[in-house]
Amino acid sequence: DGGITQSPKYLFRKEGQNVTLSCEQNLNHDAMYWYRQDPGQGLRLIYYSQIVNDFQKGDIAEGYSVSREKKESFPLTVTSAQKNPTAFYLCASSDRENPEAFFGQGTRLTVV
Amino acid sequence: GQQLNQSPQSMFIQEGEDVSMNCTSSSIFNTWLWYKQDPGEGPVLLIALYKAGELTSNGRLTAQFGITRKDSFLNISASIPSDVGIYFCAADYTGANSKLTFGKGITLSVRP
Repeated sequence: DGGITQSPKYLFRKEGQNVTLSCEQNLNHDAMYWYRQDPGQGLRLIYYSQIVNDFQKGDIAEGYSVSREKKESFPLTVTSAQKNPTAFYLCASSDRENPEAFFGQGTRLTVV
Repeated sequence: GQQLNQSPQSMFIQEGEDVSMNCTSSSIFNTWLWYKQDPGEGPVLLIALYKAGELTSNGRLTAQFGITRKDSFLNISASIPSDVGIYFCAADYTGANSKLTFGKGITLSVRP
């Protein structure tokens, strides 16, 4: 089955620690995205990548980093510089010629 | 930047009722998409619209691409309890090598 997989579903970390969220897709999509979702705030774009080895900052990139070494993978690192990291994180992908984005099931990160 | 306006933030309806949601913008778009998000899951694409004036149905869902290209609406008929969730509109201008703009979503509650 083709799809986009995020892991883990739930993640707990201590304050001050970096944490990496996984996102893998087997849809052969060129573009991949990371969004953060907080109650009442909708989806806010963190980073996006339209091609391997290239990525751009979204609206709220501070305190986050990404890499795109392979077409199918787009991991997100939440660094200790992110002041309020507890949130629901969503990864998505789309074909370069079609804007319809497909989402993973999300990772709920809790920092204590 | 481009913004999509969805209001109200929450809607409460009785099972069996119809409900309509609007999404408006001051910018024009070439594509309008409607997503639904179940609690704790990623958004799922419901309907995609590619042409101004287009009216598309998917079961009990009907969506229209506004003739001005600045708005869209989603109608759900004969609501059922599993319609509960957050409904997002999203829009795209160029269609290729671009990223979607999302509304903040409307949380729909259905009373049995």
